[in-house]
Amino acid sequence: NAGVTQTPKFRILKIGQSMTLQCTQDMNHNYMYWYRQDPGMGLKLIYYSVGAGITDKGEVPNGYNVSRSTTEDFPLRLELAAPSQTSVYFCASTQTASRNYGYTFGSGTRLTVV
Amino acid sequence: GQQLNQSPQSMFIQEGEDVSMNCTSSSIFNTWLWYKQEPGEGPVLLIALYKAGELTSNGRLTAQFGITRKDSFLNISASIPSDVGIYFCAGQGETSGSRLTFGEGTQLTVNP
Repeated sequence: NAGVTQTPKFRILKIGQSMTLQCTQDMNHNYMYWYRQDPGMGLKLIYYSVGAGITDKGEVPNGYNVSRSTTEDFPLRLELAAPSQTSVYFCASTQTASRNYGYTFGSGTRLTVV
Repeated sequence: GQQLNQSPQSMFIQEGEDVSMNCTSSSIFNTWLWYKQEPGEGPVLLIALYKAGELTSNGRLTAQFGITRKDSFLNISASIPSDVGIYFCAGQGETSGSRLTFGEGTQLTVNP
């Protein structure tokens, strides 16, 4: 049981480049989330999804896009990378909203924009 | 939006000491969760709390859901070097659906 898998683990982008951070889970969780973690800071919600075909903005959505075509996958797209997007990105999932058993997190993607 | 104030920001302790950290909020939460993050990894759930006043243990870790539903604390007894990491509190509010609000984290260093 792999849990939440994120790829790549590390990436360096030049300003203005685009990339997609991949996230897939094999636990049949409906709810999925993207967070960013800046050095010495907590987790800020970028986007989330309550099921296939449904996505919504979190606290810091600007500069990002998401899609949720299947239950398993929740990719995060950066269209025009900026230095302010240098961060560690975490994908997470959970089973239900009725009682929050906590999220399962991936191991993160460390992104540097130069 | 909802915010959590977590303190202290960092702690430097000797092996064997007890540790206490806490989170407070201006909003009521229905669920409090405590996570640990080790270097290069995502956060891992330690303890989940669902009722005001609830006290739950997980080995040397004990956490409580505050009576007012606006705070929670985590205690670690007899710390060991592998306790090193960042500890996060997280809360689920009454109107936030499944979304969690995270504290800023407490960086724990344990000197052998």
